[in-house]
Amino acid sequence: KAGVTQTPRYLIKTRGQQVTLSCSPISGHRSVSWYQQTPGQGLQFLFEYFSETQRNKGNFPGRFSGRQFSNSRSEMNVSTLELGDSALYLCASSLGDTANTGELFFGEGSRLTVL
Amino acid sequence: GENVEQHPSTLSVQEGDSAVIKCTYSDSASNYFPWYKQELGKGPQLIIDIRSNVGEKKDQRIAVTLNKTAKHFSLHITETQPEDSAVYFCAVLSAGRRALTFGSGTRLQVQP
Repeated sequence: KAGVTQTPRYLIKTRGQQVTLSCSPISGHRSVSWYQQTPGQGLQFLFEYFSETQRNKGNFPGRFSGRQFSNSRSEMNVSTLELGDSALYLCASSLGDTANTGELFFGEGSRLTVL
Repeated sequence: GENVEQHPSTLSVQEGDSAVIKCTYSDSASNYFPWYKQELGKGPQLIIDIRSNVGEKKDQRIAVTLNKTAKHFSLHITETQPEDSAVYFCAVLSAGRRALTFGSGTRLQVQP
């Protein structure tokens, strides 16, 4: 069974640009969560989607957005990039929504560098 | 909101020794406590978890214990091996939240 797939794995952007990251969950999983990982702040929750609906959102500005498609694949978008957005963005999938199951399976992440 | 503290931040042990990592949490309504292992360049991998109705769970060389009264839980790794070297994260799911809150991580180094 294939794991969580994230693309692209690495990308470099400049300030003010926007970026879109993609995540394909484990087959059969309906929930996708996104986390930002930085050395200073650790793992911070961005948002969760379940059956194409955003179920929960973390404390990030509106520049961070996401969506989920009918096949459970998800994308997240960051607009007007800032230097502080440099991070590893992790996608995690779950069979049910996190509140009920808690079990998350992470992808290998997309490492974003903002210059 | 939930606050999760993890100690120690770094841990160095000799191969074959045991390693213990501890986390404390603030929300008494928390009900799910997973542990993740993250190797360099990879995403976190779920290695063991425990729910609030259980005090201890074991899977081969790793075990997790939960003390709900004191609001802390611990990861125990016995007979450590060099391949256990990684960063370990604890996490907590509170009944009122819909997302995991992670600890700050412990870098475990197993010296051969």
